[in-house]
Amino acid sequence: AQSVAQPEDQVNVAEGNPLTVKCTYSVSGNPYLFWYVQYPNRGLQFLLKYITGDNLVKGSYGFEAEFNKSQTSFHLKKPSALVSDSALYFCAVRDRIYNNNDMRFGAGTRLTVKP
Amino acid sequence: KAGVTQTPRYLIKTRGQQVTLSCSPISGHRSVSWYQQTPGQGLQFLFEYFSETQRNKGNFPGRFSGRQFSNSRSEMNVSTLELGDSALYLCASSVMRQGWSGNTIYFGEGSWLTVV
Repeated sequence: AQSVAQPEDQVNVAEGNPLTVKCTYSVSGNPYLFWYVQYPNRGLQFLLKYITGDNLVKGSYGFEAEFNKSQTSFHLKKPSALVSDSALYFCAVRDRIYNNNDMRFGAGTRLTVKP
Repeated sequence: KAGVTQTPRYLIKTRGQQVTLSCSPISGHRSVSWYQQTPGQGLQFLFEYFSETQRNKGNFPGRFSGRQFSNSRSEMNVSTLELGDSALYLCASSVMRQGWSGNTIYFGEGSWLTVV
C-alpha cells in the first residue's frame, strides 16, 4: 500500500520569509516522490521529484525538497517566499515496485504568502 | 510542445445522464491517466491507459469507464450521473518506459463537471 500525509491544511508565511510545506509518506518498497502546485481553477503543475541519488532535489520556481528516508518525509521548501507562490500544494508518492502511474496524493496544503 | 489538452473545460449535466470527457496527451506520451478531484475526497486515481489497454484501475464503480485510441488520445465516460460525481476531472500523460516507474505525469487543466 502507498499513502501520503500532509499534516497541515494551511500554511501562512510573510513574503521574503522561508517556507516549508510538510509531507510524509508510506510505501511497501522504495518511493518515488513528487510535488505539484495547483492555482485556482487550473490543473496541477509539476514542481519536482525525487527518484534516487542526492536527497536534496531542486525544482521549478526556486523550490526544493529534501528526501529523508529515516523520517519518511519529503518536505517542500523555498528560501524566500513570494506572494505569487500562494496556491494549493500536493505531495504524491508512487511505490517503485509498481510499473504504472497510479500515484497517491496528499490532501493538499494551502499556502498563503502575505505581503 | 503543447501540453495535455482536455475538453470540454466546463459542463453541466442532469442526474441520470451520461458524460464523455476527452483528453489529448502531450505529443509522444503514450500513457494517459485520469483522476477525480473533489473537496471532500481530494485527488483520486480513476484509471490508466497505455497502448489502448487499461493498465490499472482505481476504486470507482463501473459507471466510470475509459478508453484510449491508437493516437494515444483518451476518453472517459460516466454513465447514470449522480450528484456526487460533480468534480474536476483531470487527465495526465507521461512517457512510459518499460520496467521503470519514475515517470513524471503532466496534468491538463481539467474538466469541471457539475451534476444537477
